[in-house]
Amino acid sequence: DSGVTQTPKHLITATGQRVTLRCSPRSGDLSVYWYQQSLDQGLQFLIQYYNGEERAKGNILERFSAQQFPDLHSELNLSSLELGDSALYFCASSVGDGMTDEQYFGPGTRLTVT
Amino acid sequence: AQKVTQAQTEISVVEKEDVTLDCVYETRDTTYYLFWYKQPPSGELVFLIRRNSFDEQNEISGRYSWNFQKSTSSFNFTITASQVVDSAVYFCALSEAGDSNYQLIWGAGTKLIIKP
Repeated sequence: DSGVTQTPKHLITATGQRVTLRCSPRSGDLSVYWYQQSLDQGLQFLIQYYNGEERAKGNILERFSAQQFPDLHSELNLSSLELGDSALYFCASSVGDGMTDEQYFGPGTRLTVT
Repeated sequence: AQKVTQAQTEISVVEKEDVTLDCVYETRDTTYYLFWYKQPPSGELVFLIRRNSFDEQNEISGRYSWNFQKSTSSFNFTITASQVVDSAVYFCALSEAGDSNYQLIWGAGTKLIIKP
């Protein structure tokens, strides 16, 4: 158990809908990262927050947004969902603000868009 | 540009065999970090090791060992006396300490199947 929690574990929704994924980092970690893992594209970095501020942005679509709250938990919002958004979404956390730290991953949220 | 190549898409061996997973990286930076992560069938990625570019000593942890060679830009991972529980997808990743975009570049992963 990495100490990172993600909810929900599974999510099934229809195209055009909006969903929110939630992540709580390990105790003491200030950074939260979001990743998308799909079969055809591997592991894709979406966005990083450090202590409430956006720190780095990867291949995140405009339909997706995220935020980190004062208690350091984070939410990833996915809107206008398309079939291609079906994937496993991971949250990870680390102590520092750089990508040189080891990251600890949550169990993931499996999103299915029908 | 940064790049991580794991040329072996899938490897299948019989239990107790030794197996090496290859990782080749490209970077223009002199300071960088390399990582290995394991993703077992349960799905959760597990951190295995981090190595910085100034430390070329090989690392051994139980049945796991890592061979870092800057001359060939490789950071290979060997499992000795493999066990069925080692079956997983293994990812190699690269981070440049000076990269203002601060992205961790992931390889495509190698699926390791250990047969009993």
